[in-house]
Amino acid sequence: ETGVTQTPRHLVMGMTNKKSLKCEQHLGHNAMYWYKQSAKKPLELMFVYNFKEQTENNSVPSRFSPECPNSSHLFLHLHTLQPEDSALYLCASSRDVNQETQYFGPGTRLLVL
Amino acid sequence: EDQVTQSPEALRLQEGESSSLNCSYTVSGLRGLFWYRQDPGKGPEFLFTLYSAGEEKEKERLKATLTKKESFLHITAPKPEDSATYLCAVPGAGNNRKLIWGLGTSLAVNP
Repeated sequence: ETGVTQTPRHLVMGMTNKKSLKCEQHLGHNAMYWYKQSAKKPLELMFVYNFKEQTENNSVPSRFSPECPNSSHLFLHLHTLQPEDSALYLCASSRDVNQETQYFGPGTRLLVL
Repeated sequence: EDQVTQSPEALRLQEGESSSLNCSYTVSGLRGLFWYRQDPGKGPEFLFTLYSAGEEKEKERLKATLTKKESFLHITAPKPEDSATYLCAVPGAGNNRKLIWGLGTSLAVNP
């Protein structure tokens, strides 16, 4: 595997379900990011991790819970989501948090029913 | 307020018909400008970083240029495979240097 990978690629869940998104980067980077991409809106930064430590939480609702066990892996745990949370969730990484060139994974397309 | 505006919102070209996409920004103390390409249902793919006015970078049929107020992505003799959404982003003025993203230009190149 190369670059940034994300699983699953597609996810359909009910509002009472609990699911997790997984991201893995094979670039040797130290910073990882979660973004939300919705139609007609710019990319929304959700969380930033630098050397496994969360450095930014962009006022994200608590139904989204990130986890970063090491610099290569990032999870987004989802529970009791709302239909408006349906979107493309993108993971990205960069050499460090001040190195702005971010490399993105393919995303997880999430549909909340 | 830090802002990035891209125009046009959508562009349809014939194969071989050159054109330019625009990204204008209002950020004090520019610390780079990023161009990405995004295909439908996929993540953004990094294209270029520009750091100073007058800088130019090229990749195949794409050339990115930067002034103090805006950047252009010139597409020369485009092919259908260049069809995608092109995104522009700049680091914000805050200490966290969070990227400020534009809405993108959706480019369609007809054969």
